[in-house]
This record gives sequence, C-alpha cells and structure tokens, in this order.
Amino acid sequence: DIQMTQSPSSLSAPVGGRVTITCRASQDISSYLAWFQQKPGKAPKSLIYAASTLQTGVPSKFSGSGSGTAFSLTINSLQPEDFATYFCLQYSFYPLTFGQGTKVEI
Amino acid sequence: VRLEESGGDLVQPRGSLRLSCATSGFIFSDHYMDWVRQAPGKGLEWVGRSRNKPNNYTTQYAASVRGRFVISRDESRNSLYLLMSSLRTEDTAVYFCTRGRQFGDWGQGALVTVSS
Repeated sequence: DIQMTQSPSSLSAPVGGRVTITCRASQDISSYLAWFQQKPGKAPKSLIYAASTLQTGVPSKFSGSGSGTAFSLTINSLQPEDFATYFCLQYSFYPLTFGQGTKVEI
Repeated sequence: VRLEESGGDLVQPRGSLRLSCATSGFIFSDHYMDWVRQAPGKGLEWVGRSRNKPNNYTTQYAASVRGRFVISRDESRNSLYLLMSSLRTEDTAVYFCTRGRQFGDWGQGALVTVSS
C-alpha cells in the first residue's frame, strides 16, 4: 500500500497569514493527488484534484503543487473559516489512501 | 449534486447493516462512486469503489473490509449501497458516499456503531 505522510500534524497561524501543508507519497503517484478540508462534524469538502487543479467554486487563495512523491497545499490570507483539518488523498493505486490530516488552528 | 446517506444504526458485533446513498443532480451511471469512513476522532479511510457503467460497475475494496462488505447500485433509484456483514467494533465510524474519481462531492455521512 502507498503510505501518505502528511506534515505537520497540526499548526497555528494568525488570521491573514499563510500556511503550507506537505504530503509525501511512499512511491510515485504522478499527479493523482487531491486535497480536502474538513470542519468538525461536517463532511470533507474537495479543494484540489490532480495535485493543482482547483475544484469549481474554491477560492484562489488555495493552491496545490507537486508531482511524483512530494506535494503541498498552500493557503494564503487565512480567514476564520479556513481553520479546519486538511487531508490529502492519493488515487493512483489501490487501495486509495489518505494522509493522517493537518489541523490548522488560530 | 446531492448525496444523502441513510441506514446508519447501532448493531451488534457479527451483525449486518445496509447503508444507502441516494443521489440526484447528475447522471448516476456515468460516475465512479466510493465509500469512505471516519472512526470517531480519527482520519479518513477509503472503504471501496463502484466504477461507472462503462466499466460494468465493477468494485474494489480495502483489505480491511474485503469479503465482508459489498458495494452495489440500483440505477433505477440512482442509489448506491454498502452492505456490511460480520461487523466488528472497529467498523464503528461515520460512512460517507462520494462522487467521482477525485471525490468531488460528499454526502453528510451516516453513523454506524458496532457494539454489544
């Protein structure tokens, strides 16, 4: 199975700040990587797929990059509604596997 | 696009349960559909997949549920199902259905609790 190692597991940032979350795959997954945002008690929301393509309606403050084994999600100009947990997912190989999550706190 | 899970319940170990995911707003047969679960306070775990009609609705499962869980569809009802058998306490989780290979849309989830 492909292991997705996400870091950090949690971080704190101020409103208006910028954060970068990384996800590393245990083997080459090309660009078959997605990012999700989840708030407590809610379903995950899709942000990015194919490593860098924004889902429709997702603001451009979110950006993704990377390919192969190293990926990142950057969030600019943090607003209160951005404080949540973020997950990556590789969908290149079965079983599909998620990173363990990064909690972004104020 | 709308996805709505139902059927979550409290069930005893070794019992069975069927979850449903009612869909609307898209052509059901065109899309891959997946089940993802989240144990209380934990991360996300992929459970399994139903490919689209051109791919004969073939399925794929995580090792942790293979042989115990079955994913199926009813095209006439635009619904996805997850039949869970031989349930274990570690299957306790919120179960989400999702649409698309990139998991673009999610339902609100259904809570399954396996406990005696």
